[in-house]
Amino acid sequence: EPEVTQTPSHQVTQMGQEVILRCVPISNHLYFYWYRQILGQKVEFLVSFYNNEISEKSEIFDDQFSVERPDGSNFTLKIRSTKLEDSAMYFCASRQDRGRITEAFFGQGTRLTVV
Amino acid sequence: TQLLEQSPQFLSIQEGENLTVYCNSSSVFSSLQWYRQEPGEGPVLLVTVVTGGEVKKLKRLTFQFGDARKDSSLHITAAQPGDTGLYLCAGASGSSGSRLTFGEGTQLTVNP
Repeated sequence: EPEVTQTPSHQVTQMGQEVILRCVPISNHLYFYWYRQILGQKVEFLVSFYNNEISEKSEIFDDQFSVERPDGSNFTLKIRSTKLEDSAMYFCASRQDRGRITEAFFGQGTRLTVV
Repeated sequence: TQLLEQSPQFLSIQEGENLTVYCNSSSVFSSLQWYRQEPGEGPVLLVTVVTGGEVKKLKRLTFQFGDARKDSSLHITAAQPGDTGLYLCAGASGSSGSRLTFGEGTQLTVNP
């Protein structure tokens, strides 16, 4: 069964360093997303990406964050200068274009720890 | 800001009992998904409901979308220990109708 894959599964980085989280969405999907989940809190929307551009972003997704689809398969989230409060699980998701049916499929996540 | 409130937050029951989890909002959603999440893993999609009043069944799980598309419920019949997990509802909205707003989740424990 097709699935969204994310790498790495765990990433530890020092405050102020740049990190890139990688995702391979399901191959025939057109919409791509990043969500995050701080330990013990709800899953929060960060950004959606369609047709090679950001279609929507939340207030969390500030200038420190960027997304890219560098080739036909990968979708990346870059955090330019990490802060302690960026520590969280980051989930990539993707979906087909099916109008009102917006079911998104999630990857296993990358646990980011900023020290 | 759209909010989805789930209740109860925690539920501990005995094997064989029935239960219902609720997901409520003051906002209208274009569709609503139910996910299940295990510790340290990503949410796994269970079902999507789109039409107001829609009812979907997945074995012992019954999902209902409210007539006004603002609320939903998940009913589990004859719960089993394998049903233990975190159940999340997520409503779709946004400019392209695809941003998901998640509830806090209901942590279900089914004791043998």
